[in-house]
Amino acid sequence: KNEVEQSPQNLTAQEGEFITINCSYSVGISALHWLQQHPGGGIVSLFMLSSGKKKHGRLIATINIQEKHSSLHITASHPRDSAVYICAVTYGNKLVFGAGTILRVKS
Amino acid sequence: EPEVTQTPSHQVTQMGQEVILRCVPISNHLYFYWYRQILGQKVEFLVSFYNNEISEKSEIFDDQFSVERPDGSNFTLKIRSTKLEDSAMYFCASSTGTSSYNEQFFGPGTRLTVL
Repeated sequence: KNEVEQSPQNLTAQEGEFITINCSYSVGISALHWLQQHPGGGIVSLFMLSSGKKKHGRLIATINIQEKHSSLHITASHPRDSAVYICAVTYGNKLVFGAGTILRVKS
Repeated sequence: EPEVTQTPSHQVTQMGQEVILRCVPISNHLYFYWYRQILGQKVEFLVSFYNNEISEKSEIFDDQFSVERPDGSNFTLKIRSTKLEDSAMYFCASSTGTSSYNEQFFGPGTRLTVL
């Protein structure tokens, strides 16, 4: 059984700050996903990665397979980045989700 | 851009009633999933479906639940006799495959409220 842990649970930042959200998992995986969930509930995929680093705009995701750890970074944060960020891992034929990090960016 | 759609967006039902949640996956996708999220909790896997049969299901997916692909486009989740604890957001997802290189695309969810 794969456990996915995220930290922090809640994060409040000022606009412009650099943000890091961490994810660790207990069992070897083939891929890790970072997802974004807005207050309305819909889930949007941000990244899927199995090694190294990916960048999309102000978002950067890294993964260290040996340490079973991934980070999501947001540079120059903006109030519109306020959402729940969820880490999930591909485990067998399904995704196993972390509890999510509630991010609030204040202007 | 193709997207997964779900209907209804919100379903209110009485305990003991049957509900059917509907999903239209992306048209060239072959693998389909249902997840649920109880308010304030993690998203949980319910079931995966491929080639007209269940490929994996969780402990949550008991005899009260069933899935079906009744035609070439819809993918449904049926709850036969709803309980209060079935109240949750239900997400459908689809992918082209199950390997680590196949991203799952999520629908907007159906909020089920059981009274």
